[in-house]
Formats: sequence, C-alpha cells, structure tokens
Amino acid sequence: GQSLEQPSEVTAVEGAIVQINCTYQTSGFYGLSWYQQHDGGAPTFLSYNALDGLEETGRFSSFLSRSDSYGYLLLQELQMKDSASYFCAVNSGGYQKVTFGTGTKLQVIP
Amino acid sequence: GAVVSQHPSWVICKSGTSVKIECRSLDFQATTMFWYRQFPKQSLMLMATSNEGSKATYEQGVEKDKFLINHASLTLSTLTVTSAHPEDSSFYICSARDLGGSEKLFFGSGTQLSVL
Repeated sequence: GQSLEQPSEVTAVEGAIVQINCTYQTSGFYGLSWYQQHDGGAPTFLSYNALDGLEETGRFSSFLSRSDSYGYLLLQELQMKDSASYFCAVNSGGYQKVTFGTGTKLQVIP
Repeated sequence: GAVVSQHPSWVICKSGTSVKIECRSLDFQATTMFWYRQFPKQSLMLMATSNEGSKATYEQGVEKDKFLINHASLTLSTLTVTSAHPEDSSFYICSARDLGGSEKLFFGSGTQLSVL
C-alpha cells in the first residue's frame, strides 16, 4: 500500500520561514507534489519534484530525496494568507494517480 | 489558467436515492480525472482514477457499484452515488490532468453531499 506522513499542525510567525516535511512509502513512484488548501476551498498546486534536489518558485521551495523517500516544502517570508492546509502527494502507478498525505495545518501568527 | 467546473456545489437528498456529480474541464482536455472524498479537517482520500473511454480504476475499499464513474469525453467525468445513505455524506472533489501530461492537477470546487 501507500502511506504519506506529515506533521499535523505547525505554527509560525509572520515573516519567518517554515519547513513542512513529508515521508512516503509507495511503489511505482514518479514524483512528489505539494498542494495548498484553504478552509472550504479546493486544493491548488504549488510544486512538483520528480528528481532529487530543490525546486524554487517564488517564496515556496520544495525538496525531494528519492533514496530517503522524503521531501519538504519550505515557505519563506510567511504571510498571514499562507495560513492553510498543505498536502504532499505522490504521483505513482500506470496512470500516475495522485495520492495525498495526511496534511499539515499551518497557522501564521502576527 | 485551466478551470475545472464541478456541479452541484451542494446537494441534500433522501436516503436510498442516487446523486450524480459532474466534473468538467472547461478550457483543456483531460485524459485522466480523479475523484476524491474529504471528511472535515482530514486529507483527500483517492476514490478512483477515471480515464476517458475506459473503465475507472477504483482504490481498495471503494465500492465500484456504489460509486459509479463515467468518463465519456475528454472534458467530462461523472460520479454517481447510488442508493445513498447517511454514511455517504461527505465532500466530494474531482480533479483533472491536462492531456499534455502535466503533473499538475486542477481541482473542481467540490460537492458537499448530505444524505438524510
């Protein structure tokens, strides 16, 4: 089967940097994605890593280590609007299905 | 940007009735669509992978006769909850992947189903 583990909650101060970790177990791995979901809203895509290393997109960066089955999302210069749930997700299998992790609720405080 | 339209956004039905949820990609073609179920404050649970022109692939533990999925065109997939019961009450959300094979999923706005 598949499993993806994330911390359930993280609290950080506005302007700070926060890292959300994700460990996974899966077969037929293609890559690791990250999504943001605000309460009551639909998930929105943040990043995707197929190869080891760091991908940077503005204030957000994502890292993958395939050998360690581990990745993280790094959020810099935190803003209040970043308060949301963040999910890692693995793309795997013949149709590259996307299976979501347990989710991390980020609260940004002033 | 790519838009996925999901209807209805909410539905209330009596126990024993069937409910159909539509998921449309408005400005792109989607070979593959995914259906998820989400309980309050929990993660998205993948129910099935829907591929245009072929049978859906269901995840373990998801009853295919209970949750009928049809993907008749490159822009439309439907989920029908048959003989709904209160335990089927949940937030159902679809997503689509561009025909170009992008790893990025575009999500619909979800359907809140309440079965009385």
